[in-house]
Amino acid sequence: QQQVKQSPQSLIVQKGGISIINCAYENTAFDYFPWYQQFPGKGPALLIAIRPDVSEKKEGRFTISFNKSAKQFSLHIMDSQPGDSATYFCAAGDSGAGSYQLTFGKGTKLSVIP
Amino acid sequence: ETGVTQSPTHLIKTRGQQVTLRCSSQSGHNTVSWYQQALGQGPQFIFQYYREEENGRGNFPPRFSGLQFPNYSSELNVNALELDDSALYLCASTQSLDGAEAFFGQGTRLTVV
Repeated sequence: QQQVKQSPQSLIVQKGGISIINCAYENTAFDYFPWYQQFPGKGPALLIAIRPDVSEKKEGRFTISFNKSAKQFSLHIMDSQPGDSATYFCAAGDSGAGSYQLTFGKGTKLSVIP
Repeated sequence: ETGVTQSPTHLIKTRGQQVTLRCSSQSGHNTVSWYQQALGQGPQFIFQYYREEENGRGNFPPRFSGLQFPNYSSELNVNALELDDSALYLCASTQSLDGAEAFFGQGTRLTVV
């Protein structure tokens, strides 16, 4: 059962444009929502994260929007650059078991063309 | 770059063999989690270790086992390797058991032939 659904699977954006990746979850116990960036041959790198008590978080060119009632969250990359070309994963964590076990989406491959 | 280091970076094993992967957590982090990432997929949680004990396990069979040492480093052991075990194995460390921010190593690419 896929608990975190991510779309689109791939995305092509022109340099300077806005990249938008969406995720939806089912488990209402999730209380931590990070985004990871992964380059080929590397491990995922934590990009930005949000908790459900806020609707938006911005760090530089990266913004998370969170809609608790719709159980959806999204990543916006402003002024996209070729160096942003990577695979992006949303994830959700539930602290109910006393520790965070992250459930990941299937990833979005972003290509930013000059 | 995170302070999480994994070894080896690549490994080729034959079906039925056993493998041990190693992870050193980031300085100050006492909790280690292991994830399996199949090609083209997101990472899947295998299990987590805290104070040298397994603390939570995903949907993986018992032939996947682990250890954590007093210095918080960890091992992942997989017995009776199957072709489907071919994947990138990722180690992530967090500052504490209830810490949310997980930092990943570069992974070990395991190929089972």
